[in-house]
Amino acid sequence: DTGVSQNPRHKITKRGQNVTFRCDPISEHNRLYWYRQTLGQGPEFLTYFQNEAQLEKSRLLSDRFSAERPKGSFSTLEIQRTEQGDSAMYLCASSLGPNSPLHFGNGTRLTVT
Amino acid sequence: DQQVKQNSPSLSVQEGRISILNCDYTNSMFDYFLWYKKYPAEGPTFLISISSIKDKNEDGRFTVFLNKSAKHLSLHIVPSQPGDSAVYFCAAMGYSGGGADGLTFGKGTHLIIQP
Repeated sequence: DTGVSQNPRHKITKRGQNVTFRCDPISEHNRLYWYRQTLGQGPEFLTYFQNEAQLEKSRLLSDRFSAERPKGSFSTLEIQRTEQGDSAMYLCASSLGPNSPLHFGNGTRLTVT
Repeated sequence: DQQVKQNSPSLSVQEGRISILNCDYTNSMFDYFLWYKKYPAEGPTFLISISSIKDKNEDGRFTVFLNKSAKHLSLHIVPSQPGDSAVYFCAAMGYSGGGADGLTFGKGTHLIIQP
């Protein structure tokens, strides 16, 4: 399967801990996106990369969140000092370029206790 | 303020009939629209898209219609099948000449196909 891969699928952590998620996009896709989805809502845009450059960040992305795509391939999303409000599904997507469909992974479900 | 609205949280349709899912948007800069389907515990799956230069796009049982003047799009599924039961998200993107805003999603419509 050469789709978007996300790890881990589930993460339970205590408030105040740091967590890191990984995303491996479709190999020929140079754009990579991070979204967050909570119950009853559609996915909300967090940030995106064109190759290794982070080109846009949503105001939803507080200072506790940081994303990297060091070699333009896989990406990591780190949340520092987690809060209960960070509990959500974190989705990664990739695309070939502008005005191309985004292809999503199955997400990482974060629960902060 | 929601820029993409799906006003029906759920829709129930009999198997074999037509399912029509609606979506309204407010941002006139949106010029590329997509529909995604989502099963529980999975990520959204791309279904079909339409550029603002078109008013219709068809792919098998799925057709998307775009009415730019009304800022409205709809997804038609004909005939509806039990496997179509899922949450459907409408999404929109605005092309800003080199930059690319992320997709803006609606809240979704839960489609239930009744046997």
